[in-house]
This record gives sequence, C-alpha cells and structure tokens, in this order.
Amino acid sequence: SQQGEEDPQALSIQEGENATMNCSYKTSINNLQWYRQNSGRGLVHLILIRSNEREKHSGRLRVTLDTSKKSSSLLITASRAADTASYFCATASGNMLTFGGGTRLMVKP
Amino acid sequence: GAGVSQSPSNKVTEKGKDVELRCDPISGHTALYWYRQSLGQGLEFLIYFQGNSAPDKSGLPSDRFSAERTGGSVSTLTIQRTQQEDSAVYLCASSLAQDSPLHFGNGTRLTVT
Repeated sequence: SQQGEEDPQALSIQEGENATMNCSYKTSINNLQWYRQNSGRGLVHLILIRSNEREKHSGRLRVTLDTSKKSSSLLITASRAADTASYFCATASGNMLTFGGGTRLMVKP
Repeated sequence: GAGVSQSPSNKVTEKGKDVELRCDPISGHTALYWYRQSLGQGLEFLIYFQGNSAPDKSGLPSDRFSAERTGGSVSTLTIQRTQQEDSAVYLCASSLAQDSPLHFGNGTRLTVT
C-alpha cells in the first residue's frame, strides 16, 4: 500500500498561476521528498524536507511539512508550460522510501 | 558525471519467458532501489540494497522475482516465467546513503505478450 497520497490527482492551470499539491502520509518519517517525472522518463529529485523542518524553499518551489497532521504541500509559483509533469511525494522511514500515486500537473501556455 | 543507467530501455517478451533487467548505479552510491511503475500509477517498491547488508526484499511480489547486486555496484532484476501482469516500467535508483535523495534511471519498459 502507498504511504503517501497526493491530492489532487490531476491539476490544470494557466501559465503564470501558482500550483499547489498536497501529500498525506500515515506513519512517522525521517524526511519527506518531492520528485518530478516527465512522461517516459525517470524521476528527478526536487526537494527534501526533514521531519524537524517546517518549510523549505528552492527557486520557485516552496514545501511545507506538518508532522502533527502528517501532511506536506508543494507550491510552484509563477508556473511555466515546462512545469507540466507528474509530481510525487515520497516518505522516508527506515530503509524504505515510499511513493504516492502522484499529481499530474498540466500548465497551459 | 554519468547518471543511473538502465538496460534495455524496452523489452518485449512472450509470456513464460525469463527476463533480466540491468541497472548501473552512480559510482560510489551505496544504496540501490528497484521500483515498478504501472501506466499512470505511482511507484511500487520492490527491493533495496544498502552496502554489504542483506537486501530488503519485502516488496518483491512473488518468488518469480529476484535481484542481485554484484560487488556493490551493478544490479540485475530477474523475472522468471513472466506473466502479462508483469508488464510495467521498472525503475532503478541509487543514492549516496540512506536518507539521501534518489537518482533514477529512465527505466526499462517491459511488455509481456
């Protein structure tokens, strides 16, 4: 079963708008990571947030983590058509890195 | 430097045949993971290698699946007596250490006819 579950499953926005994706998980974690996957490719790591961190930024990306609610969000600001991809959260617990089902983001030019 | 390399990129096989999928991780990465991804779905964990420790095989779906990692580097995932439900993209990833970000290969797309 999947540890992380992304919401929404699909998101369609116009270029320039912000995109917010959410991730919920069930058990305690060491860290939570967000990845991006373009069609037909492997996943690319975007950002890692540790369990003792609450917010992290990287360029146009902002990730928050609420361990009391077992949830995280990924915000992409000023989206571009090139941001079109699937986005996955992954939770690290012990040896395991468990991925959610992903959010398919489409950014229309 | 080179990333994670997987071969073949595509494999079509007949039901009942055995297949071997290869993964060359990034040099120096001690951790290696295999995942399976069905069309439009998330990633399903299969197996994890960390250094010289015994692998975590808890995700292997049946005894038809096995994997090895030779010399702490290259890994091979073997599927025996393939079934149509084995059709998926098999992704390999490596990382510098436990809890470090994963670097993925582009996967092997397996189609069982």
